[in-house]
Amino acid sequence: KQEVTQIPAALSVPEGENLVLNCSFTDSAIYNLQWFRQDPGKGLTSLLLIQSSQREQTSGRLNASLDKSSGRSTLYIAASQPGDSATYLCAVTPTDSWGKFQFGAGTQVVVTP
Amino acid sequence: SAVISQKPSRDICQRGTSLTIQCQVDSQVTMMFWYRQQPGQSLTLIATANQGSEATYESGFVIDKFPISRPNLTFSTLTVSNMSPEDSSIYLCSARQGYDEQYFGPGTRLTVT
Repeated sequence: KQEVTQIPAALSVPEGENLVLNCSFTDSAIYNLQWFRQDPGKGLTSLLLIQSSQREQTSGRLNASLDKSSGRSTLYIAASQPGDSATYLCAVTPTDSWGKFQFGAGTQVVVTP
Repeated sequence: SAVISQKPSRDICQRGTSLTIQCQVDSQVTMMFWYRQQPGQSLTLIATANQGSEATYESGFVIDKFPISRPNLTFSTLTVSNMSPEDSSIYLCSARQGYDEQYFGPGTRLTVT
């Protein structure tokens, strides 16, 4: 069974520092991997989707890489801002899942002014 | 992209009662899902809502407790039946077209007293 792990569970950085969030998965048989942001008590906002054939995706200050063979993805957030404070979740779509996600537990990020 | 709305956004209910949550997508989608997020936890998939047929439930979730309807390609409902305080959670609807990007609604925050 696919397992998704996110390390660290929590992270606090001063404003302006770059953020590095890690996601690992046990089975490389995936269609894609998606990164989400969740603010307290709210739903999920999609940040980046990486297909299994891709190595990375970029959107503004966000860059996500994917190394499918080693079961790892990294989300980089450049020049962090207090508004980046949130929980970040990664999720993979296993090839045998009929479109269902397997979520990691998330990394809670606090960016201090 | 797809925009998903949920009603109600929050509710406080008494033990033993039932609540029906509505999910509306602004475009036709092949897949719709219902997730639960208990306090401080990541997301757990309850079921896949199948259009015109019975939902497919994950282990630990049953139709009598969480009946789901999906009458067409843009709408679904989840009912939380015979509620207990342990059902207090955020309930999230999500949708995706095939294996493309997955989108989430804003969630319904349920408190059972």
